[in-house]
Amino acid sequence: DQQVKQNSPSLSVQEGRISILNCDYTNSMFDYFLWYKKYPAEGPTFLISISSIKDKNEDGRFTVFLNKSAKHLSLHIVPSQPGDSAVYFCASPSGSRLTFGEGTQLTVNP
Amino acid sequence: DAMVIQNPRYQVTQFGKPVTLSCSQTLNHNVMYWYQQKSSQAPKLLFHYYDKDFNNEADTPDNFQSRRPNTSFCFLDIRSPGLGDAAMYLCATSSVGVGEKLFFGSGTQLSVL
Repeated sequence: DQQVKQNSPSLSVQEGRISILNCDYTNSMFDYFLWYKKYPAEGPTFLISISSIKDKNEDGRFTVFLNKSAKHLSLHIVPSQPGDSAVYFCASPSGSRLTFGEGTQLTVNP
Repeated sequence: DAMVIQNPRYQVTQFGKPVTLSCSQTLNHNVMYWYQQKSSQAPKLLFHYYDKDFNNEADTPDNFQSRRPNTSFCFLDIRSPGLGDAAMYLCATSSVGVGEKLFFGSGTQLSVL
């Protein structure tokens, strides 16, 4: 039972354009969400988070939007840079665990 | 500068031969986790320690064991690795409590021959 789903395994965008990565969740009790970024042969690193009391959180080029009624969140990267090419995971804590989505491979082409 | 260190980065073992993966942290975090990640899949939590309290996930096979001799170190023991256990194993720590922001190591890529 995958409670956090990222339906797009990959996304390719041009440098300078916007990247939009999507994530859906099924558990209405989830109230905090995190995005992690993972380069090959490295562990995931924390990128940005959002609490359910907000519908938007911004940090530089990265903005996360939360739509609680749709149980959907998205990560916007603008402008996208080649160094943003990585796998992006959304995640949410539930009890004693952090539940991850399957990840989306973002490729930013120069 | 490294905060969560996993050794080795790559581990090759034989089918059925016990293997131990190690993780150390310099963050003094009270929670340590072990995740298994297979290609194109979500990282899957195997177990975690809250201080010395061990918390096993219900679907973690008995083949996987863990030890945490002190705050800084945590080990993952695979007693009889099968081909299906080939994966990236990620160690992570947190301090806020369980389920909050995690700090990951670089992972150990395990191959089973």
